[in-house]
Amino acid sequence: DAGVIQSPRHEVTEMGQEVTLRCKPISGHNSLFWYRQTMMRGLELLIYFNNNVPIDDSGMPEDRFSAKMPNASFSTLKIQPSEPRDSAVYFCASSQPGAGRSYEQYFGPGTRLTVT
Amino acid sequence: AQSVTQLDSQVPVFEEAPVELRCNYSSSVSVYLFWYVQYPNQGLQLLLKYLSGSTLVESINGFEAEFNKSQTSFHLRKPSVHISDTAEYFCAVEAGGYNKLIFGAGTRLAVHP
Repeated sequence: DAGVIQSPRHEVTEMGQEVTLRCKPISGHNSLFWYRQTMMRGLELLIYFNNNVPIDDSGMPEDRFSAKMPNASFSTLKIQPSEPRDSAVYFCASSQPGAGRSYEQYFGPGTRLTVT
Repeated sequence: AQSVTQLDSQVPVFEEAPVELRCNYSSSVSVYLFWYVQYPNQGLQLLLKYLSGSTLVESINGFEAEFNKSQTSFHLRKPSVHISDTAEYFCAVEAGGYNKLIFGAGTRLAVHP
Protein backbone atom coordinates (compact mmCIF):
# COMPACT_ATOMS: atom_id res chain seq x y z
CA ASP A 1 0.00 0.00 0.00
CA ALA A 2 1.54 3.30 -1.11
CA GLY A 3 -0.30 5.38 1.45
CA VAL A 4 -1.64 8.84 0.73
CA ILE A 5 0.33 10.49 -2.04
CA GLN A 6 0.76 14.25 -2.30
CA SER A 7 2.44 16.31 -4.97
CA PRO A 8 4.45 18.38 -5.20
CA ARG A 9 6.35 17.94 -1.94
CA HIS A 10 7.67 21.48 -2.12
CA GLU A 11 6.32 24.46 -4.01
CA VAL A 12 7.82 27.93 -4.19
CA THR A 13 5.83 30.54 -6.04
CA GLU A 14 5.45 34.28 -6.30
CA MET A 15 2.59 36.24 -4.89
CA GLY A 16 -0.33 36.38 -7.30
CA GLN A 17 0.40 33.08 -8.97
CA GLU A 18 -2.01 30.14 -9.02
CA VAL A 19 -0.99 27.11 -6.98
CA THR A 20 -2.45 23.61 -7.30
CA LEU A 21 -1.78 20.92 -4.74
CA ARG A 22 -2.64 17.31 -5.52
CA CYS A 23 -3.64 14.31 -3.45
CA LYS A 24 -4.23 10.63 -4.15
CA PRO A 25 -6.00 8.91 -1.25
CA ILE A 26 -5.52 5.31 -0.20
CA SER A 27 -7.45 2.99 -2.51
CA GLY A 28 -10.86 2.15 -1.06
CA HIS A 29 -10.98 5.16 1.27
CA ASN A 30 -13.96 7.36 0.56
CA SER A 31 -13.37 10.26 2.95
CA LEU A 32 -10.69 12.82 2.14
CA PHE A 33 -9.51 15.75 4.26
CA TRP A 34 -7.36 18.80 3.50
CA TYR A 35 -5.46 20.45 6.36
CA ARG A 36 -3.13 23.42 6.68
CA GLN A 37 -0.39 23.58 9.32
CA THR A 38 1.46 26.71 10.42
CA MET A 39 3.40 27.64 13.52
CA MET A 40 0.92 30.38 14.37
CA ARG A 41 -2.36 28.56 13.82
CA GLY A 42 -1.41 24.92 14.22
CA LEU A 43 -3.32 22.25 12.30
CA GLU A 44 -6.48 23.54 10.61
CA LEU A 45 -9.09 21.47 8.76
CA LEU A 46 -9.90 23.25 5.51
CA ILE A 47 -12.42 20.97 3.81
CA TYR A 48 -13.45 17.35 3.63
CA PHE A 49 -15.17 15.11 1.12
CA ASN A 50 -17.13 11.90 1.34
CA ASN A 51 -17.74 9.86 -1.81
CA ASN A 52 -16.27 12.77 -3.81
CA VAL A 53 -18.85 15.23 -2.44
CA PRO A 54 -17.72 18.21 -0.31
CA ILE A 55 -19.29 17.82 3.13
CA ASP A 56 -17.93 20.82 4.99
CA ASP A 57 -15.83 23.65 3.58
CA SER A 58 -16.27 26.02 6.50
CA GLY A 59 -12.53 25.91 7.19
CA MET A 60 -11.56 27.28 3.79
CA PRO A 61 -10.09 30.68 4.68
CA GLU A 62 -11.11 32.72 1.65
CA ASP A 63 -12.64 32.51 -1.78
CA ARG A 64 -9.11 32.30 -3.13
CA PHE A 65 -9.10 28.70 -1.96
CA SER A 66 -11.01 25.99 -3.78
CA ALA A 67 -10.95 22.19 -3.66
CA LYS A 68 -12.28 19.52 -5.96
CA MET A 69 -12.53 15.75 -5.98
CA PRO A 70 -13.42 14.69 -9.51
CA ASN A 71 -13.10 10.98 -8.71
CA ALA A 72 -12.34 8.61 -5.85
CA SER A 73 -8.61 8.61 -6.47
CA PHE A 74 -7.77 12.27 -6.92
CA SER A 75 -8.30 15.63 -5.25
CA THR A 76 -6.88 19.11 -5.76
CA LEU A 77 -6.58 22.18 -3.57
CA LYS A 78 -6.15 25.38 -5.54
CA ILE A 79 -5.12 28.83 -4.37
CA GLN A 80 -5.68 31.66 -6.82
CA PRO A 81 -4.17 34.19 -6.40
CA SER A 82 -1.63 33.10 -3.80
CA GLU A 83 -0.39 35.40 -1.04
CA PRO A 84 2.62 35.20 1.31
CA ARG A 85 0.33 34.41 4.25
CA ASP A 86 -0.69 31.19 2.47
CA SER A 87 2.78 29.82 3.15
CA ALA A 88 2.27 26.63 5.17
CA VAL A 89 2.42 22.86 5.00
CA TYR A 90 -0.72 21.43 3.44
CA PHE A 91 -1.70 17.88 4.35
CA CYS A 92 -4.14 15.53 2.75
CA ALA A 93 -5.60 12.62 4.72
CA SER A 94 -7.96 9.80 3.83
CA SER A 95 -10.19 7.49 5.83
CA GLN A 96 -12.73 4.70 5.51
CA PRO A 97 -15.96 5.41 7.39
CA GLY A 98 -18.99 3.20 7.11
CA ALA A 99 -19.26 -0.56 7.53
CA GLY A 100 -16.01 -2.03 8.81
CA ARG A 101 -14.74 1.44 9.58
CA SER A 102 -11.44 1.91 11.34
CA TYR A 103 -12.08 5.53 12.34
CA GLU A 104 -8.55 6.84 11.97
CA GLN A 105 -7.23 9.09 9.25
CA TYR A 106 -4.10 8.36 7.24
CA PHE A 107 -1.98 11.38 6.40
CA GLY A 108 0.16 12.13 3.41
CA PRO A 109 3.68 13.58 3.71
CA GLY A 110 2.45 17.11 3.03
CA THR A 111 3.24 19.86 0.55
CA ARG A 112 5.38 22.70 1.86
CA LEU A 113 4.20 25.88 0.12
CA THR A 114 6.25 29.04 0.15
CA VAL A 115 4.79 32.18 -1.42
CA THR A 116 7.27 35.01 -1.88
CA ALA B 1 -19.71 19.87 20.15
CA GLN B 2 -16.47 17.99 20.51
CA SER B 3 -13.24 19.67 21.52
CA VAL B 4 -9.74 18.71 22.65
CA THR B 5 -7.39 20.52 25.00
CA GLN B 6 -3.73 19.65 25.26
CA LEU B 7 -2.55 21.24 28.43
CA ASP B 8 1.14 21.58 27.61
CA SER B 9 2.51 23.12 24.45
CA GLN B 10 6.06 21.93 25.18
CA VAL B 11 7.45 19.19 27.40
CA PRO B 12 11.23 18.96 27.85
CA VAL B 13 12.52 15.75 29.40
CA PHE B 14 15.80 13.90 29.78
CA GLU B 15 16.43 10.60 28.05
CA GLU B 16 15.23 7.54 30.01
CA ALA B 17 12.94 9.66 32.18
CA PRO B 18 9.17 9.05 32.26
CA VAL B 19 6.82 11.43 30.50
CA GLU B 20 3.13 12.25 30.48
CA LEU B 21 1.42 14.34 27.80
CA ARG B 22 -1.97 15.52 28.93
CA CYS B 23 -5.16 15.59 26.90
CA ASN B 24 -8.69 16.47 27.93
CA TYR B 25 -11.69 16.17 25.64
CA SER B 26 -15.28 17.28 25.46
CA SER B 27 -17.83 15.17 23.64
CA SER B 28 -21.56 14.69 23.79
CA VAL B 29 -21.55 11.45 21.81
CA SER B 30 -19.68 8.16 21.81
CA VAL B 31 -16.01 8.85 22.36
CA TYR B 32 -13.31 7.65 20.03
CA LEU B 33 -9.90 9.04 20.92
CA PHE B 34 -6.55 9.09 19.15
CA TRP B 35 -2.96 10.08 19.62
CA TYR B 36 -0.96 11.00 16.53
CA VAL B 37 2.78 11.69 16.32
CA GLN B 38 4.49 14.01 13.87
CA TYR B 39 8.25 13.69 13.42
CA PRO B 40 10.09 16.68 11.90
CA ASN B 41 9.20 17.30 8.27
CA GLN B 42 6.75 14.42 8.14
CA GLY B 43 3.00 13.88 8.16
CA LEU B 44 1.01 12.74 11.16
CA GLN B 45 1.10 9.04 12.04
CA LEU B 46 -1.36 7.20 14.25
CA LEU B 47 0.27 6.24 17.55
CA LEU B 48 -2.68 4.61 19.31
CA LYS B 49 -6.45 4.77 19.57
CA TYR B 50 -9.29 4.07 21.97
CA LEU B 51 -12.57 2.92 20.48
CA SER B 52 -14.07 0.69 23.17
CA GLY B 53 -13.18 -2.07 25.61
CA SER B 54 -10.08 -1.83 27.80
CA THR B 55 -9.45 1.73 28.88
CA LEU B 56 -5.67 1.24 28.63
CA VAL B 57 -4.32 1.16 25.11
CA GLU B 58 -0.73 0.65 24.04
CA SER B 59 1.44 1.40 21.05
CA ILE B 60 4.18 -0.78 19.63
CA ASN B 61 6.93 1.62 20.74
CA GLY B 62 6.14 1.69 24.45
CA PHE B 63 3.61 4.51 24.72
CA GLU B 64 0.29 3.96 26.47
CA ALA B 65 -2.80 6.04 27.07
CA GLU B 66 -5.67 5.59 29.46
CA PHE B 67 -9.23 6.61 28.74
CA ASN B 68 -10.76 8.15 31.86
CA LYS B 69 -14.43 8.92 31.30
CA SER B 70 -15.02 10.60 34.66
CA GLN B 71 -12.14 13.01 34.15
CA THR B 72 -12.68 13.25 30.38
CA SER B 73 -8.99 12.62 29.86
CA PHE B 74 -6.80 10.55 27.57
CA HIS B 75 -3.25 11.19 28.78
CA LEU B 76 -0.28 9.69 26.97
CA ARG B 77 2.55 8.15 28.97
CA LYS B 78 5.85 6.45 28.45
CA PRO B 79 7.96 5.10 31.35
CA SER B 80 11.30 5.76 29.68
CA VAL B 81 11.75 8.02 26.67
CA HIS B 82 14.41 7.94 23.97
CA ILE B 83 15.96 10.69 21.90
CA SER B 84 14.02 9.30 18.94
CA ASP B 85 10.72 10.12 20.68
CA THR B 86 11.36 13.81 20.06
CA ALA B 87 8.34 14.90 18.01
CA GLU B 88 5.04 16.70 18.21
CA TYR B 89 2.12 14.76 19.61
CA PHE B 90 -1.51 15.46 18.79
CA CYS B 91 -4.56 14.24 20.67
CA ALA B 92 -7.78 13.94 18.65
CA VAL B 93 -11.43 13.02 19.13
CA GLU B 94 -13.73 11.67 16.45
CA ALA B 95 -16.34 14.29 15.63
CA GLY B 96 -19.18 12.17 14.29
CA GLY B 97 -19.65 10.75 10.80
CA TYR B 98 -17.17 10.54 7.95
CA ASN B 99 -14.30 9.99 10.44
CA LYS B 100 -13.81 13.72 10.92
CA LEU B 101 -11.33 14.33 13.77
CA ILE B 102 -10.96 17.32 16.06
CA PHE B 103 -7.29 17.82 16.91
CA GLY B 104 -5.70 19.48 19.90
CA ALA B 105 -3.05 22.16 19.47
CA GLY B 106 -0.24 19.65 19.89
CA THR B 107 2.50 19.06 22.47
CA ARG B 108 6.12 19.29 21.44
CA LEU B 109 8.15 16.64 23.26
CA ALA B 110 11.86 17.39 23.39
CA VAL B 111 14.05 14.60 24.74
CA HIS B 112 17.52 15.70 25.83
CA PRO B 113 20.57 13.49 26.39
